[in-house]
Amino acid sequence: AQKITQTQPGMFVQEKEAVTLDCTYDTSDQSYGLFWYKQPSSGEMIFLIYQGSYDEQNATEGRYSLNFQKARKSANLVISASQLGDSAMYFCAMREVSGYALNFGKGTSLLVTP
Amino acid sequence: GAGVSQSPSNKVTEKGKDVELRCDPISGHTALYWYRQSLGQGLEFLIYFQGNSAPDKSGLPSDRFSAERTGGSVSTLTIQRTQQEDSAVYLCASSFRTGLNTEAFFGQGTRLTVV
Repeated sequence: AQKITQTQPGMFVQEKEAVTLDCTYDTSDQSYGLFWYKQPSSGEMIFLIYQGSYDEQNATEGRYSLNFQKARKSANLVISASQLGDSAMYFCAMREVSGYALNFGKGTSLLVTP
Repeated sequence: GAGVSQSPSNKVTEKGKDVELRCDPISGHTALYWYRQSLGQGLEFLIYFQGNSAPDKSGLPSDRFSAERTGGSVSTLTIQRTQQEDSAVYLCASSFRTGLNTEAFFGQGTRLTVV
């Protein structure tokens, strides 16, 4: 069964606008970690932000914030003030306490337009 | 080097041949992961190493795939008798430890094309 679901294959946003990328997850573990990575066209995976299942506050890193709704099992990424350089694939991932690997979703392609 | 290094960056091979993909993790990183990314898809977990041991090989798609890690450092992913469906980008990642909040650092990947 898919552990991470990203329902938006592609998104468009205008420069300077905010955008939300959706991620829902499935786990029976009480402890887990949620990650977002960015993959530009060059191919490297760039870590953006982390949210722990017991963190009471939503994580923020600069223009990135995570809208964590534990009861809904969602961990949406919010990018504020989009820039052209934000155009990339974005992947949500989860590590469970019962496992070792990061399990990734299929990703969302974000295009920022002028 | 400062980051995870993978070689070769590109590999074209004929169907049925064996290939070896190499990963040099960040120095001091004990955890190492291999993933496969097919065109337009997410990352598919293949195998995890802690030191030289592989406690989780659950993602290896068939017995044609194997991996080893020596000296707690370099890892090699071997694909025997390659098939066209093996064509993908193979990504290696390493992390300092395996904690819930430990980010993994990725290499640039090896793009494998089986013709």
